[in-house]
Amino acid sequence: NAGVTQTPKFQVLKTGQSMTLQCAQDMNHNSMYWYRQDPGMGLRLIYYSASEGTTDKGEVPNGYNVSRLNKREFSLRLESAAPSQTSVYFCATARWGQDNYGYTFGSGTRLTVV
Amino acid sequence: GQQLNQSPQSMFIQEGEDVSMNCTSSSIFNTWLWYKQDPGEGPVLLIALYKAGELTSNGRLTAQFGITRKDSFLNISASIPSDVGIYFCAGLTTSGTYKYIFGTGTRLKVLA
Repeated sequence: NAGVTQTPKFQVLKTGQSMTLQCAQDMNHNSMYWYRQDPGMGLRLIYYSASEGTTDKGEVPNGYNVSRLNKREFSLRLESAAPSQTSVYFCATARWGQDNYGYTFGSGTRLTVV
Repeated sequence: GQQLNQSPQSMFIQEGEDVSMNCTSSSIFNTWLWYKQDPGEGPVLLIALYKAGELTSNGRLTAQFGITRKDSFLNISASIPSDVGIYFCAGLTTSGTYKYIFGTGTRLKVLA
């Protein structure tokens, strides 16, 4: 039972390169999220998918695109990486109901853009 | 974007001391969560609170849902070195947006 799996764990890109961060969950959660974490900034929401087939912008969507491939997978794409996108990226999932148990996070992807 | 005011931002404490931190907001929340992030890992849920005034414990951790529904508190008793990390609060507003709002974190360092 892996929970939320993110790949890769580490990545170094040159400015202008593109890449896709992958997230897969086996928790049967409907909602999936991409956050970035920068020192002193906490967790900032990039994009989310409340349910399969829907995606919505968070507070910092510029420079990113997402795809909810199916219920299990939610990918984040950087089309032309910039140094400002150097960060730690977290995928999270959630189940919504009478009691909300919060997010389950992956272990993160550490991205450096040089 | 909206974030919760979390304080203190960081704290150094001696092993064995008690720790208190809090989150405040101008909005009313119907759920409060507390997470801990170990170095190099993703945040892990510690405690979830669902009702105003609710007091919930998880081992040495105790969290409270403020009666105004605009704040929450986390206490750690008798701190140990493995308590080091970043503690985040998160809240869910009553508008049902399927998104939690996070605090900026409290970085805790424990001196042995």
